[in-house]
Amino acid sequence: QKEVEQDPGPLSVPEGAIVSLNCTYSNSAFQYFMWYRQYSRKGPELLMYTYSSGNKEDGRFTAQVDKSSKYISLFIRDSQPSDSATYLCAMYGQNFVFGPGTRLSVLP
Amino acid sequence: DTEVTQTPKHLVMGMTNKKSLKCEQHMGHRAMYWYKQKAKKPPELMFVYSYEKLSINESVPSRFSPECPNSSLLNLHLHALQPEDSALYLCASSQAAGEEQYFGPGTRLTVT
Repeated sequence: QKEVEQDPGPLSVPEGAIVSLNCTYSNSAFQYFMWYRQYSRKGPELLMYTYSSGNKEDGRFTAQVDKSSKYISLFIRDSQPSDSATYLCAMYGQNFVFGPGTRLSVLP
Repeated sequence: DTEVTQTPKHLVMGMTNKKSLKCEQHMGHRAMYWYKQKAKKPPELMFVYSYEKLSINESVPSRFSPECPNSSLLNLHLHALQPEDSALYLCASSQAAGEEQYFGPGTRLTVT
């Protein structure tokens, strides 16, 4: 079993849809959780950073962490074509690990 | 300012060449990282510098040699690379090791 698994995608949604991106992990040492967005041929861009169970909201983005279930999610409301990118979860405990990424396409 | 800069943007080199990748940040971060990313894969950690000292080397071949001249700069020296080393090389920094990382735009390296 991989340390971090992510819904594989690719995922296509119509503009305006609510998108749910999910990661599960097996290592209970992970304490810090991040979501990155990566456009093609660019570096990852930090979207959200959380370290406690619960929800954190920033504009159209909500990050959710459930440490008891070892599950994290990123919700995107009112999705836009400009949200089309690969989304990577990442987490840190004793080491820093990325999930494999989910490619999202938002269709106009 | 959350900017990490990397030069060059693109690099093509032969297998006998020696070249260097450069990374710079002025956020006062004390941890800096090198990652390698192949197409459609997540970034793979190569090296971590914390307070200008190498703290993690993820079993990277010796043809990759990192250097941290000061707290704002990180170099990756390349020598005798193989075609399979062609990838996007990303630099990142964080306030301290383990905190959220900010990435540069990457250097796209092609080894011929």
